[in-house]
Amino acid sequence: DAGITQSPRYKITETGRQVTLMCHQTWSHSYMFWYRQDLGHGLRLIYYSAAADITDKGEVPDGYVVSRSKTENFPLTLESATRSQTSVYFCASSPGTRNQPQHFGDGTRLSIL
Amino acid sequence: EDKVVQSPLSLVVHEGDTVTLNCSYEVTNFRSLLWYKQEKKAPTFLFMLTSSGIEKKSGRLSSILDKKELFSILNITATQTGDSAVDLCWGNMLTFGGGTRLMVKP
Repeated sequence: DAGITQSPRYKITETGRQVTLMCHQTWSHSYMFWYRQDLGHGLRLIYYSAAADITDKGEVPDGYVVSRSKTENFPLTLESATRSQTSVYFCASSPGTRNQPQHFGDGTRLSIL
Repeated sequence: EDKVVQSPLSLVVHEGDTVTLNCSYEVTNFRSLLWYKQEKKAPTFLFMLTSSGIEKKSGRLSSILDKKELFSILNITATQTGDSAVDLCWGNMLTFGGGTRLMVKP
């Protein structure tokens, strides 16, 4: 089915571990985004990508790495997880322009112990 | 630095009430303001506003933008318990407001 899917849905890991959150969309949207959502902070942009091989930092990029070798995939990696990165992570995509509505995945709930 | 501020932070009303949610913004090179609704999972799109004074409507929901005063409102009439959600305002792709948590009691 067409859409945007995130995996895993839930993840528990330990501090210092590397963890990768996957995001896949089937619409061939140019733009893809990663957000984190924490109580009291709303949605905060981590990284975004305007096209394959083009990525840019958002509001809270520290501690995260992204890549976009293919249009449909936009993985987010925490290279050395910290407890402050415990959060719900949402991936989103939108068509060619910067001001089209975004379509969100169902989120990944990440707990770092 | 771009900023989107929503008010109130939370709101409790009873079914049938009308609510007005506010979103003020300061964004460079403004292009559009979007409203989303978030229940238990991912945000879902409600409205996109690009021009001042033109109301967008969908059923009991409506929204309008004032580009001179830099704000938007989201109006919900005859609220129902199913309207309970967090309503998010989004400006220029990079900046979401903190959201208004709406609870509608029977």
